[in-house]
Amino acid sequence: QQQVKQSPQSLIVQKGGISIINCAYENTAFDYFPWYQQFPGKGPALLIAIRPDVSEKKEGRFTISFNKSAKQFSLHIMDSQPGDSATYFCAASKYQGGSEKLVFGKGTKLTVNP
Amino acid sequence: NAGVTQTPKFQVLKTGQSMTLQCAQDMNHEYMSWYRQDPGMGLRLIHYSVGAGITDQGEVPNGYNVSRSTTEDFPLRLLSAAPSQTSVYFCASSLSRAGTQYFGPGTRLLVL
Repeated sequence: QQQVKQSPQSLIVQKGGISIINCAYENTAFDYFPWYQQFPGKGPALLIAIRPDVSEKKEGRFTISFNKSAKQFSLHIMDSQPGDSATYFCAASKYQGGSEKLVFGKGTKLTVNP
Repeated sequence: NAGVTQTPKFQVLKTGQSMTLQCAQDMNHEYMSWYRQDPGMGLRLIHYSVGAGITDQGEVPNGYNVSRSTTEDFPLRLLSAAPSQTSVYFCASSLSRAGTQYFGPGTRLLVL
């Protein structure tokens, strides 16, 4: 059973556009929702993360939106740039008590055309 | 801090050969894990460790062994390589099993 479902699998956006990647989770115990960014040939790296006590978190051009009742969260990349082209993974865990391992979505390959 | 380091960067094996993928971290993290990444499959957890001397299986453990004799090192052993083990392998460490994972640069393995 896949605990975190991510869509779309791939996404092509024009420079300056908005990229939106969606994730849905099953386990209501999850309380930590990070996004990882992976460039070709590199390991994934933490991009931004959110806890369910807020509905939105923004860092520069990157925003996480969180809908607790729908068990969904999404990553929005505003003014997308060719340098944002990478694979993005959402993830979820139960941070308090650390009882649930971090589980990853299957990833979204983002291509931003110049 | 070097963070998480992995060696080798690339390896070619013949079916049936064995090898060890090395992973080390200098952040004093208790939790370490091994993932494999295949196209369309995302990151799949192979084995993990919550501290020296303690290891457990992840989602896809068959064909792999691990040990954790020190906090810093977490090697992954392929006992008898198979073409299905062709993949990119990432080691990661974190303060806890639920916290931020710090990934190494990966080892690309090709099994012929």
